[in-house]
Amino acid sequence: EAGVTQSPTHLIKTRGQQATLRCSPISGHTSVYWYQQALGLGLQFLLWYDEGEERNRGNFPPRFSGRQFPNYSSELNVNALELEDSALYLCASSPRRVKAFFGQGTRLTVV
Amino acid sequence: QKEVEQDPGPLSVPEGAIVSLNCTYSNSAFQYFMWYRQYSRKGPELLMYTYSSGNKEDGRFTAQVDKSSKYISLFIRDSQPSDSATYLCAMSDDSSASKIIFGSGTRLSIRP
Repeated sequence: EAGVTQSPTHLIKTRGQQATLRCSPISGHTSVYWYQQALGLGLQFLLWYDEGEERNRGNFPPRFSGRQFPNYSSELNVNALELEDSALYLCASSPRRVKAFFGQGTRLTVV
Repeated sequence: QKEVEQDPGPLSVPEGAIVSLNCTYSNSAFQYFMWYRQYSRKGPELLMYTYSSGNKEDGRFTAQVDKSSKYISLFIRDSQPSDSATYLCAMSDDSSASKIIFGSGTRLSIRP
């Protein structure tokens, strides 16, 4: 069974640009979660999508947004990139239970 | 005070040793407890999942939850160099993964 897949693996953007990160959940999982793992800050919850709807968001500004498609894949968009947005962005999927299964992450570098 | 406290390490032990990793927490409402293993430049991998108190064993890994002390532990027996990674404790008071609070992680190194 394929796990959670994320693309791209690495992304380098210039401050002020927009970044788009993609995630495909485990087959059968309807919930997708996005987390930011910045150096020294640990894993921070960003967004939760379930059945195409945003269900919850963490303490991040509105320039962090996303969506979930009918096939349950998801996209995270970060607008007006700042240097502090440089981090590993992790996507996780869940079969509607608390267990979260993570992808390999997208390492975003803002220069 | 953070909701979940975890010693960042690094912790270095010889191959074959028993490893003990711990987390403390302050929220008595937590009832779902997890341990994740994260290799360098990879995503976290779910190792152990426990609901409420008690012990759970899976191969060389044992997870313990003591809700009265607000303390959870992960024991690794017969440690191997391949166990070298960062271990994250995680817990939640809700069945939604959006409410999971992660520890900052303990970096573990197993010396051959």
